[in-house]
Amino acid sequence: AQTVTQSQPEMSVQEAETVTLSCTYDTSENNYYLFWYKQPPSRQMILVIRQEAYKQQNATENRFSVNFQKAAKSFSLKISDSQLGDTAMYFCAFTIPGNTPLVFGKGTRLSVIA
Amino acid sequence: DAGITQSPRHKVTETGTPVTLRCHQTENHRYMYWYRQDPGHGLRLIHYSYGVKDTDKGEVSDGYSVSRSKTEDFLLTLESATSSQTSVYFCAISARDSPLHFGNGTRLTVT
Repeated sequence: AQTVTQSQPEMSVQEAETVTLSCTYDTSENNYYLFWYKQPPSRQMILVIRQEAYKQQNATENRFSVNFQKAAKSFSLKISDSQLGDTAMYFCAFTIPGNTPLVFGKGTRLSVIA
Repeated sequence: DAGITQSPRHKVTETGTPVTLRCHQTENHRYMYWYRQDPGHGLRLIHYSYGVKDTDKGEVSDGYSVSRSKTEDFLLTLESATSSQTSVYFCAISARDSPLHFGNGTRLTVT
């Protein structure tokens, strides 16, 4: 069974600074997808970024980028130029092709401080 | 938003009563999921569906049942609610090999 581990329950960062959230996973599969979801206080789950395991290039979405290390089974999220609106819970998630349900980590609560 | 609606948004119920949560989508997506979110546990899968009348159990399915008689609706039923089922429940939908899109969640309190 696949597992996802987020080792940082809480983090904080100063506005305009850069922060990195860690995620590791365990799988015997070679092809899979990884995701970061954001959950602000509104409770809405928002897709931040997606990475396909067969792509060596790290995914980026504006201020959000990932460091995907397949051999190490690591998938960290870097947020550059942090903004107050980035304050949220961040969940790392994993799935394999074929719409196998997402497996989520326990989340990291990020606070951006003015 | 991805055309997904959960109802009700909030519900308070007593131990032992039946409860049904509804998830409705307008995207015609094949796959639908029910997760529960609890502090310290992240999101855990309850049940999911890969088509009309096709459902399967997730990690935390005990005490829950589901039904999907139409593509657009996926119902989650707690036959006899317990305090341990106090949680926030999320429905999600997806097309094949596409990211999940989530509803806004239902906060259920069992007293």
